Amino acid sequence: NAGVTQTPKFRILKIGQSMTLQCTQDMNHNYMYWYRQDPGMGLKLIYYSVGAGITDKGEVPNGYNVSRSTTEDFPLRLELAAPSQTSVYFCASTPGVTYQPQHFGDGTRLSIL
Amino acid sequence: ELKVEQNPLFLSMQEGKNYTIYCNYSTTSDRLYWYRQDPGKSLESLFVLLSNGAVKQEGRLMASLDTKARLSTLHITAAVHDLSATYFCAGELSGGGADGLTFGKGTHLIIQP
Repeated sequence: NAGVTQTPKFRILKIGQSMTLQCTQDMNHNYMYWYRQDPGMGLKLIYYSVGAGITDKGEVPNGYNVSRSTTEDFPLRLELAAPSQTSVYFCASTPGVTYQPQHFGDGTRLSIL
Repeated sequence: ELKVEQNPLFLSMQEGKNYTIYCNYSTTSDRLYWYRQDPGKSLESLFVLLSNGAVKQEGRLMASLDTKARLSTLHITAAVHDLSATYFCAGELSGGGADGLTFGKGTHLIIQP
């Protein structure tokens, strides 16, 4: 049972480059989320989705885009990477029905130089 | 806007001692989550508190929720080194958790022999 799988685990980008952070879950969860965690801080919500075809902005969406074409996958796209996007990115999911805790992936550590 | 404030943000304590981490939140959606994060790792769910007066215990950790005071506590009893980690509380912006969690900044706990 893999849970929430994120790839890649580490990545270094140059300013202005683009990339997609992958997230997939095998628990048939309806709700999925992307958070970023800056050093010494809590997590901040970037985007979320309550089902395939439905996405919405969280607290810090600028510079990011998402899509949800299937229940399993929720990729996060960075366009024109900036140093301020250096962070650890976590994907999470939850069934969305009975107040179950969110299950988190292992994170993607992204540095933009 | 939901605000979640934890204190203390840093705590160094000796093994065998007791201590409490406090989490104040500002939303009327009275569901509170506690997570643990080890350095460089993902977040692990500890407790989900769903109603006023809820108390949950797991080993040396006990969490409680007072919705009237909008306060949750995480109590550590007879601390051991293995409990060293960063502990986060998180609240829901709305009922059901569809639009994600708002995290506190975390309490970095070091337990020394």
